[in-house]
Amino acid sequence: AQKVTQAQTEISVVEKEDVTLDCVYETRDTTYYLFWYKQPPSGELVFLIRRNSFDEQNEISGRYSWNFQKSTSSFNFTITASQVVDSAVYFCALSEGGDDKIIFGKGTRLHILP
Amino acid sequence: ETGVTQTPRHLVMGMTNKKSLKCEQHLGHNAMYWYKQSAKKPLELMFVYNFKEQTENNSVPSRFSPECPNSSHLFLHLHTLQPEDSALYLCASSQGSTSGGGGTQYFGPGTRLTVL
Repeated sequence: AQKVTQAQTEISVVEKEDVTLDCVYETRDTTYYLFWYKQPPSGELVFLIRRNSFDEQNEISGRYSWNFQKSTSSFNFTITASQVVDSAVYFCALSEGGDDKIIFGKGTRLHILP
Repeated sequence: ETGVTQTPRHLVMGMTNKKSLKCEQHLGHNAMYWYKQSAKKPLELMFVYNFKEQTENNSVPSRFSPECPNSSHLFLHLHTLQPEDSALYLCASSQGSTSGGGGTQYFGPGTRLTVL
């Protein structure tokens, strides 16, 4: 069965610090997709990134970076030089190839303190 | 309008009322989803529609009745709800399994429902 674990329930850091959100997944499929979403206080889930299981290249987008490691079944998300606007709940998610469903982790609530 | 829209954004209803939530996607997708997000709980997938056909019903009580008249519109009809049904209801859309699965889901802003 597929599963996504975000062990960090809540994190608080001071603005400008770097912060890493952990995500560990379980799947028996060789083809799968991993996602990160951001949910600000307004409630809408905002798509951040999608990776497929065959592409282990790390990705950087501005202050955001993602580290995908199949050997440890992890897909961690780092925010560099955090800002107050980064305060949100962040969800890691997994979809197996051929399936429309996305399995979400329980989310990590991130507080960036000014 | 762009993306995924949901109306109303907020809804307060009594347990005997009947109301409907509406979702519309402007992304040309063929799969649509309803999720429930309660306080302190993970996202719960309720229903999945692919090309207007329901492909998933996650043991949702019959007081929630979905309707998908076409690939762009999705409704959730509500009747005789309970206070524990108060939650944020999120709609999403994606390309659907014809694209090989793993399609990115794009979400609407949600309807915050309070049942008195």
